[in-house]
Order: sequence, then structure tokens, then C-alpha cells
Amino acid sequence: ETGVTQSPTHLIKTRGQQVTLRCSSQSGHNTVSWYQQALGQGPQFIFQYYREEENGRGNFPPRFSGLQFPNYSSELNVNALELDDSALYLCASSLGLAGGSSYEQYFGPGTRLTVT
Amino acid sequence: GDSVTQMEGPVTLSEEAFLTINCTYTATGYPSLFWYVQYPGEGLQLLLKATKADDKGSNKGFEATYRKETTSFHLEKGSVQVSDSAVYFCALSPYNQGGKLIFGQGTELSVKP
Repeated sequence: ETGVTQSPTHLIKTRGQQVTLRCSSQSGHNTVSWYQQALGQGPQFIFQYYREEENGRGNFPPRFSGLQFPNYSSELNVNALELDDSALYLCASSLGLAGGSSYEQYFGPGTRLTVT
Repeated sequence: GDSVTQMEGPVTLSEEAFLTINCTYTATGYPSLFWYVQYPGEGLQLLLKATKADDKGSNKGFEATYRKETTSFHLEKGSVQVSDSAVYFCALSPYNQGGKLIFGQGTELSVKP
């Protein structure tokens, strides 16, 4: 069973640029969530995708957008990068929404984004 | 809104010492509660969970009990090892919100031989 994978591992971008981060969910999982983890902080929920539709969004501006594909992999896009976007971006997959909030989320290793 | 508060770190212990990391939460309804661990340079790993009041989650010698009356979910381990050095995150998943997680700020644990 393949776990959650993310690419790239590290990325350096300049303020104002755009970036795309990728995530492959664990086999059999149809839900992907994205989190931003600033240095020394806990992860913050960005949004969640369930069967290719956005299903919940945290307190992030519209320049943070996403996609989920038919194979349940996902992308996180960030436009007009700002210095404060420098963080570890974590992707997590789970088996779905049915059954309530106790479904476990399995995290990938993250993508470290540095904005200069 | 819903939130999680953890005791501040870093926490430094000697090997075989007793560990407690405090976690309290604010939430409406009946959230599920989790402890995640993050080793240096890695993503988050689920350590244990509890889905209803008075449930006790346990794994690898770690335990935490869901206390609704005190809105707490403190992490404990009777005898820590050097390999337990990591950052520990308490988190909640609000009821009926599709499993999104709300994390505390994390507590860094350092265990010395």
C-alpha cells in the first residue's frame, strides 16, 4: 500500500510568482485536505476536496486554490506569492466523509516552500 | 470558533521519566480528538485518537483520555525514551465537518539519555 506522496520536496519562489504543489493520496482514499504549517506552529487547514469537489475551506484568501483529479490526486495552487506564504505545506488523505469526523487522515511528508 | 491549546514547550526530560503534555479544547458539539507526532524533517503521524467522552486512546505506551467535563485530552507516557523526541500536536475534528483538523501549536519534547 502506497502512502501519501507530495512533490516537490522543496521549492524556492520569488514574491509575486505562482506555485503548484502536488499530492498523491493513499490508495483507496477519496478525500484530500491541505494544511499550511508555518515554522514553529501547528498546521492550519486550507481546504478539503472530496470526489473532485471542494468540501470546506479555512481562513485563506482566494489566491489559494486547488483541484482534485479523477484518480483523487490533488494540486494546491498559490498565486501572487507573499513572503508570509513561506511554510511547510502538508497534504492529508482519508477514506471519505461518511461516518463523521473520526476518519483518520494520513499525512504526506510535505513541501517546504520558501518565498524570497 | 473551535480551538486547541497545548502547554508550551520545549519540554526536556531524562530517559525513563514520566511525560504529561496538557491539551485543552473549545468546541461545539462532540468533536473527535487526536494526538499527532512529527519527527524532525517528516510529516505528521497519528499517535492516538478518541471519538467520544471517556474514551481512552493508546499507542506505543502513550495514552490520552477524552474528558468532556474538563474539555481536556492530556497526553501521558510512563517512561519516555530518547526516540520519543519529537513535536507533539493535539488536534480536534469538529463534529460533522468532514474530518478537517484544528491543531494546537505543538509541544517539542526532548529526551536526554
